Amino acid sequence: DGGITQSPKYLFRKEGQNVTLSCEQNLNHDAMYWYRQDPGQGLRLIYYSQIVNDFQKGDIAEGYSVSREKKESFPLTVTSAQKNPTAFYLCASSIVLFSGHNQPQHFGDGTRLSIL
Amino acid sequence: AQKITQTQPGMFVQEKEAVTLDCTYDTSDPSYGLFWYKQPSSGEMIFLIYQGSYDQQNATEGRYSLNFQKARKSANLVISASQLGDSAMYFCAMSPDGSSNTGKLIFGQGTTLQVKP
Repeated sequence: DGGITQSPKYLFRKEGQNVTLSCEQNLNHDAMYWYRQDPGQGLRLIYYSQIVNDFQKGDIAEGYSVSREKKESFPLTVTSAQKNPTAFYLCASSIVLFSGHNQPQHFGDGTRLSIL
Repeated sequence: AQKITQTQPGMFVQEKEAVTLDCTYDTSDPSYGLFWYKQPSSGEMIFLIYQGSYDQQNATEGRYSLNFQKARKSANLVISASQLGDSAMYFCAMSPDGSSNTGKLIFGQGTTLQVKP
């Protein structure tokens, strides 16, 4: 079955620690995205990537970093510079069309990150 | 700047009745797409329906339809014959189409729908 796999489902971070959230897709999608969701709120874009070895900052990139070394993988690192990391993190992917209509994004099941 | 507004934090509907979830948007892009997603309590985001700004007809997908009023910049979701499994949070989202298409989505704050038996 094609889809997006996020791991771990739950993650705890200690003060001053960097943690990495995994996102893998087997949908052969070019574009991948990371969103943050706070309780009762909508999603906010952290980073996105339309092609391997290239990525762009979203609206709330400070304190986060990403890499895109493979088409299938787009890991997100929450660094110690992110002072309020407790949130639900969602990874998504989509087909990229450089002209014409958008394609829907497909989402993983998310990772809940908390501070110890 | 692009913005999505969902003014209903919570809604109740009786099972088997129809319900409308409101969404208004603001953009200066001439071409854009509008999406609705469902988020159950388990957290995953489920794509429901898409409407392109130049589409002549309102989008429909099974029990979901999108009431698109371009002049009013509204894109309301209509769920017909509500089921208990429809209880979830619903998000409206927007993205530019065409040459400025980066695939990025801008989300509203969401509306929590509860279906009563």
